[in-house]
Amino acid sequence: KAGVTQTPRYLIKTRGQQVTLSCSPISGHRSVSWYQQTPGQGLQFLFEYFSETQRNKGNFPGRFSGRQFSNSRSEMNVSTLELGDSALYLCASKVGIGGDIQYFGAGTRLSVL
Amino acid sequence: SQQGEEDPQALSIQEGENATMNCSYKTSINNLQWYRQNSGRGLVHLILIRSNEREKHSGRLRVTLDTSKKSSSLLITASRAADTASYFCATVGDGTSYGKLTFGQGTILTVHP
Repeated sequence: KAGVTQTPRYLIKTRGQQVTLSCSPISGHRSVSWYQQTPGQGLQFLFEYFSETQRNKGNFPGRFSGRQFSNSRSEMNVSTLELGDSALYLCASKVGIGGDIQYFGAGTRLSVL
Repeated sequence: SQQGEEDPQALSIQEGENATMNCSYKTSINNLQWYRQNSGRGLVHLILIRSNEREKHSGRLRVTLDTSKKSSSLLITASRAADTASYFCATVGDGTSYGKLTFGQGTILTVHP
C-alpha cells in the first residue's frame, strides 16, 4: 500500500503570495490532518478533515484554510504569506475519526522570502 | 500550543546503551503516542499507550504511562546508530478532539557507533 504522499516537497514563495499544498492519504483512510513544524513553535496542529468536513481546527489565523475532496485527498492553502509561515508542513492520515495512529507524509518545506 | 515538556532536550549515548526519554502533559488524555522523526522528514509512529494502560512493549521499546503524574517515558534498549533521530510524544485528548495530536517539544537522540 502506498504511503501518504505530499506535493510539492519544496516550495519557495515571496511575502504576500499564496500557496496550495496537496496531500494524498493512504488508500482507505478517510481522515486527514495537517501540522506545521517550526524550530520555534515545534509541531502544531492546523486542522483535521473527515469525509470532506473539517472536524477540528488549531489556533491559526484565517489565512490558513483547507479542504478535503470526495476521494479523501486534501489541500491546504495559505494566503498572504508572511515570513513566519516558513515551515515544514506535514500531512497525516488515519482510517477513522478517533484518536488512532496517524501516518505521516514526508512533508512540504515552504520557504517564504 | 505544546502539550508539555520533554526531557531531556538532547541525549547523546554510545551504541548498546539504553536511552530514556520523558514526557509530561497538561490535560487528561485518551491515549499517548510516541513518534520518531529523522532529519526534518515525516514522523513515524512507534507506539501507542491508552490512558487505562500503565506499560507497553514493542521490540526494543518500552513505554510507561502515569496518568496521576501526567507523564510518560520511552525506553529504547540496546540503542543502535540507526536510532539517531528526534523523538516526540503526542497526546490525544479525551474530549471531542478527534484526531488532533498535541506534541511535546521533542528529544534529540544521538547514538554514537
